[in-house]
Amino acid sequence: AQSVTQLDSHVSVSEGTPVLLRCNYSSSYSPSLFWYVQHPNKGLQLLLKYTSAATLVKGINGFEAEFKKSETSFHLTKPSAHMSDAAEYFCVVSESKSGYSTLTFGKGTMLLVSP
Amino acid sequence: EPEVTQTPSHQVTQMGQEVILRCVPISNHLYFYWYRQILGQKVEFLVSFYNNEISEKSEIFDDQFSVERPDGSNFTLKIRSTKLEDSAMYFCASSEADRYYGYTFGSGTRLTVV
Repeated sequence: AQSVTQLDSHVSVSEGTPVLLRCNYSSSYSPSLFWYVQHPNKGLQLLLKYTSAATLVKGINGFEAEFKKSETSFHLTKPSAHMSDAAEYFCVVSESKSGYSTLTFGKGTMLLVSP
Repeated sequence: EPEVTQTPSHQVTQMGQEVILRCVPISNHLYFYWYRQILGQKVEFLVSFYNNEISEKSEIFDDQFSVERPDGSNFTLKIRSTKLEDSAMYFCASSEADRYYGYTFGSGTRLTVV
């Protein structure tokens, strides 16, 4: 069975400082991994995805994540936080069983950005 | 950029009533999904739909739930007799192919059962 652990429920940073949101996963199969962002009263927006190609994945709005199989991690980073990055971030794993995949979400990390 | 559209954005219903949540997936997508997020909890998988039939469903998706693609563009989730614990944000998603492309989610329908 697949699972996702987001190690921090809240992360607070100052504008202009680096962001690190941590995610560990477990999967019985070769997983696909995603980060989604949810702004208040908005839907889930795909930030980036890992699908067994390059291990360093670049996404929208300057975010990137590195897939580390040995550590079963897929941490999300950004060099410099912006006020508009304040939102909830979900690490998601997808694996296929019986030919169809389902997404398993982490509990989410709320990113707070202060001026 | 193509979007998944969900209506209504907010629905309030009385316990025991039937509700239908509507979704218009992206037109060339073939896989469709419903997920839900109870306030303060994880986003949970409900059901996936491909080729006009359910391909996977979770334990949550019991006999009170059903899905339908009635006209080739809409994708609906019906809850037959709502309970208080069905109150949640329901997200529709679609994808071009399974698993590898990422899913496009709609903005969600907040269902409140009173």
